[in-house]
Amino acid sequence: NAGVTQTPKFRVLKTGQSMTLLCAQDMNHEYMYWYRQDPGMGLRLIHYSVGEGTTAKGEVPDGYNVSRLKKQNFLLGLESAAPSQTSVYFCASSYSGHPWVSNTGELFFGEGSRLTVL
Amino acid sequence: SQELEQSPQSLIVQEGKNLTINCTSSKTLYGLYWYKQKYGEGLIFLMMLQKGGEEKSHEKITAKLDEKKQQSSLHITASQPSHAGIYLCGADIRKRGTSYGKLTFGQGTILTVHP
Repeated sequence: NAGVTQTPKFRVLKTGQSMTLLCAQDMNHEYMYWYRQDPGMGLRLIHYSVGEGTTAKGEVPDGYNVSRLKKQNFLLGLESAAPSQTSVYFCASSYSGHPWVSNTGELFFGEGSRLTVL
Repeated sequence: SQELEQSPQSLIVQEGKNLTINCTSSKTLYGLYWYKQKYGEGLIFLMMLQKGGEEKSHEKITAKLDEKKQQSSLHITASQPSHAGIYLCGADIRKRGTSYGKLTFGQGTILTVHP
């Protein structure tokens, strides 16, 4: 199994350009997440999805859109990239979103996508 | 301010030394996760703690969650260069029943182990 795969792994954009990050998981997980990681800030949740066809905002959703048309894929879009969106983006998935109900709340992470906006 | 505070922010130790990383919140933690990250790579799951007073170990790494479920510690015994990386704690600190498993993360602790 590939687990969680993110593409592309690296990208350089100019301010105002648009792009889409693709996350694919082959574990039949219901929940998928997009985080961004910045120095000294840890991981911050951008958007998440609790199932196919659903999306919801996380802590820092502004400037991003997402779609979950298929259960295995979660797309993160930047319509008009800004330098403040320079970051490393991580996708994650989990079978269950409730760790207190079962032990399957573990998040499985992709290897990250490094985005630079000039 | 961070809802989860990790300390220290960075740590440099000599191989063979013991070390502890702390993760603290002012709110109750409903599920506390420890992850390790190597530069340029994704996060590797280490352990999850749910119950107050719970302690888990894997090889030379032990994690504990205090009775109040507001603080967790990660202890590494006899550190090795392979332990180097960034350690992140993540937790669901929202009210039980209202969260969809949205993990909040600390800012990370950078561990360097000198041979």
